[in-house]
Amino acid sequence: DADVTQTPRNRITKTGKRIMLECSQTKGHDRMYWYRQDPGLGLRLIYYSFDVKDINKGEISDGYSVSRQAQAKFSLSLESAIPNQTALYFCATSDYRGNTIYFGEGSWLTVV
Amino acid sequence: GIQVEQSPPDLILQEGANSTLRCNFSDSVNNLQWFHQNPWGQLINLFYIPSGTKQNGRLSATTVATERYSLLYISSSQTTDSGVYFCAVGPGGFKTIFGAGTRLFVKA
Repeated sequence: DADVTQTPRNRITKTGKRIMLECSQTKGHDRMYWYRQDPGLGLRLIYYSFDVKDINKGEISDGYSVSRQAQAKFSLSLESAIPNQTALYFCATSDYRGNTIYFGEGSWLTVV
Repeated sequence: GIQVEQSPPDLILQEGANSTLRCNFSDSVNNLQWFHQNPWGQLINLFYIPSGTKQNGRLSATTVATERYSLLYISSSQTTDSGVYFCAVGPGGFKTIFGAGTRLFVKA
């Protein structure tokens, strides 16, 4: 089984709908992240969390919210999806030093 | 902020060929990682290499921190090496900055 698991792996949703992407990890790491990747581009940080009570906005947090339900679980929500949020979303974890980042398999989201 | 430039942006190889991918960064860093994104989108961490040289099978990486660059070597390339290779630098964790990647296609 993967160390970082994302669900769903693929989702098509309509504009204006709320959608949640879920992430769970078995690495035992405190730090968790949500990234977005657009075609031909690198990864951009949406939100990051140092622990259950410490959540921070990243580079592109507008239109997104997150919830850290437990050390191992970090979910990303699009409150009212719009087409330019169509992208590949990654959850990731690292230890406190952040030297090595471990990514989930990715969630392909299409907003129509 | 730190700027990360990867070259070449695209690379096509014949199976069995060797290649070198480069990552330049604009400021001192204490964290540099190389990732491979396969054609299905999965991102795999290849190396954590803030300085020095590491090898893992047909892949090796060298970072010269004082000159602000890192190289990823792929020897005897295989079709399964295809995908996008990302360099990521920074203090680590949430401050990690990703380059735009090098897209590699290995022909059989």
